[in-house]
Amino acid sequence: GQQVMQIPQYQHVQEGEDFTTYCNSSTTLSNIQWYKQRPGGHPVFLIQLVKSGEVKKQKRLTFQFGEAKKNSSLHITATQTTDVGTYFCAGPGSGGGADGLTFGKGTHLIIQP
Amino acid sequence: DTAVSQTPKYLVTQMGNDKSIKCEQNLGHDTMYWYKQDSKKFLKIMFSYNNKELIINETVPNRFSPKSPDKAHLNLHINSLELGDSAVYFCASSQAMTANYGYTFGSGTRLTVV
Repeated sequence: GQQVMQIPQYQHVQEGEDFTTYCNSSTTLSNIQWYKQRPGGHPVFLIQLVKSGEVKKQKRLTFQFGEAKKNSSLHITATQTTDVGTYFCAGPGSGGGADGLTFGKGTHLIIQP
Repeated sequence: DTAVSQTPKYLVTQMGNDKSIKCEQNLGHDTMYWYKQDSKKFLKIMFSYNNKELIINETVPNRFSPKSPDKAHLNLHINSLELGDSAVYFCASSQAMTANYGYTFGSGTRLTVV
């Protein structure tokens, strides 16, 4: 079935450093979504990318969708303590979304002040 | 107004018991889901309902039975609870059953089976 691989599993950074998480799919994705889950919280939708090579920005966050639509990345510039959490990418299942989103295992961002 | 609300937030129960988790969304979404998040934070879909109709039933033991009385509600009943059922269960909704819409998640139910 559809698999979405995400790396790294954990990332420790000093406050102010940059952070990147990468997502790879074994098949071409029609779109990819990104979510953030704060410790003790629930996943919150951040963004959806649809077009090949698409780049979107949300303040210090930059999201990219690969040209082949098989990979994506999330980059955070100058991390702050409020960025702490787990970041998930998610893509449509093999049923094109009718079978729900398949989530990557997430990247846990830990920030040291 | 909470968009997707789940109750209870915490559930501690003994092995062998039966329990239910309720979920309601006030977003007017057509599709609702149950996801299970294990201790390593891995999110796995369990069920998907579209307009009260079951769409997905992943390889979940039949001790788990979802029920959708209307498109705003999706409840989860679990029979004969086992230690391995301990996890956080998230309800979510989306505008439609295609993958073109972001999901709105509830705050989760932390189930602990002792």
